[in-house]
Amino acid sequence: AQSVAQPEDQVNVAEGNPLTVKCTYSVSGNPYLFWYVQYPNRGLQFLLKYITGDNLVKGSYGFEAEFNKSQTSFHLKKPSALVSDSALYFCAVRDRNTGGFKTIFGAGTRLFVKA
Amino acid sequence: EPEVTQTPSHQVTQMGQEVILRCVPISNHLYFYWYRQILGQKVEFLVSFYNNEISEKSEIFDDQFSVERPDGSNFTLKIRSTKLEDSAMYFCASKTGRVGAGANNEQFFGPGTRLTVL
Repeated sequence: AQSVAQPEDQVNVAEGNPLTVKCTYSVSGNPYLFWYVQYPNRGLQFLLKYITGDNLVKGSYGFEAEFNKSQTSFHLKKPSALVSDSALYFCAVRDRNTGGFKTIFGAGTRLFVKA
Repeated sequence: EPEVTQTPSHQVTQMGQEVILRCVPISNHLYFYWYRQILGQKVEFLVSFYNNEISEKSEIFDDQFSVERPDGSNFTLKIRSTKLEDSAMYFCASKTGRVGAGANNEQFFGPGTRLTVL
């Protein structure tokens, strides 16, 4: 069975500091991994994905994520946080061996960036 | 830039009533999805739809739920007899790709319909 864990309900960081939002996953096969962001009263917006190849994936708005197969993690990072990055972030996994229809989302991590 | 649209943005209904939530996916996309998010909780998969049939559904998607793509552009979610616990934000999503090659594509989400069951 697929599952995603985001161990932190909330992450607080000062503007200009690096940020990390953690994600670990469990799938029976090889995963496709995604990060989405949700701003208030909006749908989910795609940030980045890991499919294959380089473990460091770069995405929108300066975000990046590192796939670590041995630790089954896909943590989201940004070198310098902005106040406008404050939002709800969801990690998601899709098992590439099951036809790829179903995406499982984590519970979400709320990021607060203080000026 | 093409986007997924959903109507209405907010639907209020009485318990036991039927509701239809409407979505217009991105026009060249082949896979369609419904998710729900109960206030403050995680985004939950309901159903995926491909080639005019349900490809996968979760345990939440019971006999009270149905989906339809009636005219090649709209994608609807029907709840036959709403319950209080159906109150949630419902998100439609779509993605491109062919069978076997489509699994790695990201989904594009609509803005959601907030369903309130009284």
